[in-house]
Amino acid sequence: DQQVKQNSPSLSVQEGRISILNCDYTNSMFDYFLWYKKYPAEGPTFLISISSIKDKNEDGRFTVFLNKSAKHLSLHIVPSQPGDSAVYFCAAYSNYQLIWGAGTKLIIKP
Amino acid sequence: DSGVTQTPKHLITATGQRVTLRCSPRSGDLSVYWYQQSLDQGLQFLIQYYNGEERAKGNILERFSAQQFPDLHSELNLSSLELGDSALYFCASSARTSGEGGSGDTQYFGPGTRLTVL
Repeated sequence: DQQVKQNSPSLSVQEGRISILNCDYTNSMFDYFLWYKKYPAEGPTFLISISSIKDKNEDGRFTVFLNKSAKHLSLHIVPSQPGDSAVYFCAAYSNYQLIWGAGTKLIIKP
Repeated sequence: DSGVTQTPKHLITATGQRVTLRCSPRSGDLSVYWYQQSLDQGLQFLIQYYNGEERAKGNILERFSAQQFPDLHSELNLSSLELGDSALYFCASSARTSGEGGSGDTQYFGPGTRLTVL
């Protein structure tokens, strides 16, 4: 049973435009969410996080939005750059475990 | 550079063998986590240690074991290796550990160890 779902395996976006990556979760007890970026054969790199007491958190080009009622969060990247091409993972904490989504591969087109 | 180090970077071994992967957490971090990633799949959580004690277990096989030492470095032992154990193994560390309420702590990942079982 997937508690954290990233339903889009891949996303292609034009350079300079906005990239929106989506994540849905089922467990209402999750109260801390993180986004990671991963290049092939490298470890995931932390991008941004959000606590459930907030609905938005911003860090430079990255903004995460949380809609608790819909159990949905999204990562916005503006503007998208070639170096943003990677796999993006959404993750949520449940007790002592970080539950991961399957990832979305973002491709930034020139 | 996340500050988490893993050795070795690559490991090639045969079925039935035993290997040990090593992880040094970021300075000051008390929690260490182990993950497995097979063939472009998602990350599978294996096990977590906090200040030397096992804190959580995920999808870890009985053939696998781990420990965290007093200096906080951790080792993941994989035994009776099978072809399907070929994967990237990542270690991550965090300053604290999540509480029962689920509030979490940012995990920082090492570069991984690529294990190939022939």
